[in-house]
Amino acid sequence: KAGVTQTPRYLIKTRGQQVTLSCSPISGHRSVSWYQQTPGQGLQFLFEYFSETQRNKGNFPGRFSGRQFSNSRSEMNVSTLELGDSALYLCASSLDRGVNTIYFGEGSWLTVV
Amino acid sequence: KNEVEQSPQNLTAQEGEFITINCSYSVGISALHWLQQHPGGGIVSLFMLSSGKKKHGRLIATINIQEKHSSLHITASHPRDSAVYICAVRSGDYKLTFGKGTLLTVNP
Repeated sequence: KAGVTQTPRYLIKTRGQQVTLSCSPISGHRSVSWYQQTPGQGLQFLFEYFSETQRNKGNFPGRFSGRQFSNSRSEMNVSTLELGDSALYLCASSLDRGVNTIYFGEGSWLTVV
Repeated sequence: KNEVEQSPQNLTAQEGEFITINCSYSVGISALHWLQQHPGGGIVSLFMLSSGKKKHGRLIATINIQEKHSSLHITASHPRDSAVYICAVRSGDYKLTFGKGTLLTVNP
């Protein structure tokens, strides 16, 4: 069974631009969550989606947004990119919102110049 | 103070040694996860615990809910165990909060 797939894997953007990252969860998984990983802050929770609804959001500015489609695929968007947004963005999926094992994608490496 | 504290931050061991990584947390949790991250980014879930102890191969994870503490043990460590090990707790609102990670290097 295919794992969590994230695209693109690597991208370089300029300050002020916007970016959209995509995540395809494991088939049958309905919960998708997003995380930001930086050397300084480590892993931080961005948001969680279940049944096309955002259920939780971490402490990030409104420039960070996302959505989930009816097939559970999810996208996250960052607008007006800042240098500090350079990070590894990880998506994870699980069966549902209960106490389940989480499966991570390989991540999208974003560099803002 | 972080909600999830891991120790040590860095750990170097010789092949074959017994390794322990500790995780303490300060919030109420529904589950605790131990994760492994190799260079390049990919994260693998090793264990999910809500009580007691779990074992998988050479890895053992324990949790003490009353003391808000968990440990990850690696028996007979091997160079391929070299990675960052991350403790993460899931609170009642389903958010995951992560420790800073423990960088483990196992020398042959």
